[in-house]
Amino acid sequence: ILNVEQSPQSLHVQEGDSTNFTCSFPSSNFYALHWYRWETAKSPEALFVMTLNGDEKKKGRISATLNTKEGYSYLYIKGSQPEDSATYLCAHNSNSGYALNFGKGTSLLVTP
Amino acid sequence: DGGITQSPKYLFRKEGQNVTLSCEQNLNHDAMYWYRQDPGQGLRLIYYSQIVNDFQKGDIAEGYSVSREKKESFPLTVTSAQKNPTAFYLCASRDMMNTEAFFGQGTRLTVV
Repeated sequence: ILNVEQSPQSLHVQEGDSTNFTCSFPSSNFYALHWYRWETAKSPEALFVMTLNGDEKKKGRISATLNTKEGYSYLYIKGSQPEDSATYLCAHNSNSGYALNFGKGTSLLVTP
Repeated sequence: DGGITQSPKYLFRKEGQNVTLSCEQNLNHDAMYWYRQDPGQGLRLIYYSQIVNDFQKGDIAEGYSVSREKKESFPLTVTSAQKNPTAFYLCASRDMMNTEAFFGQGTRLTVV
């Protein structure tokens, strides 16, 4: 994988459903993997920055895992709420410098 | 308040004119970034700077120029050589390679 890829592109779930997204990234020269939430009319805000293979991070109902050897990360949302509706972006930082390259994002809509 | 300020929020220019977008941060961050967002494209990296008086091209640098004369400021000039300048532009900054990025509110540029 040469670029950062995210799937699915969009997702529509009902309130209370749990959901997950995937981020794939180049596994060579890995340094860090970021997750951001971008709500409409706001700026992207960081959820997690992960650097170690096997990392698992959690913030409330949202958690993320990291596999640097195979080049993927999962973001999980447990019991989705309408306020979780946003675009979720992942970004990859290789060890060659400060460049932070983003995927196209997963757009999540949670309806009551 | 600490943060990143982009100005203006909306900008209109005639085709063939250069235009400069402002980005200022008071977070004392070393690294600063410029991204462009088009519908369905996610965030694409234009330029980034790791330190004052130094900057690197991102994936879509053609038709853009930047300067980093002060730590706090990273202006982006959209030149007449940029074929499709109409887009949403986001500026970001961060402290170190394993830390999160902070984003401005963005500038929506329309070239007519």
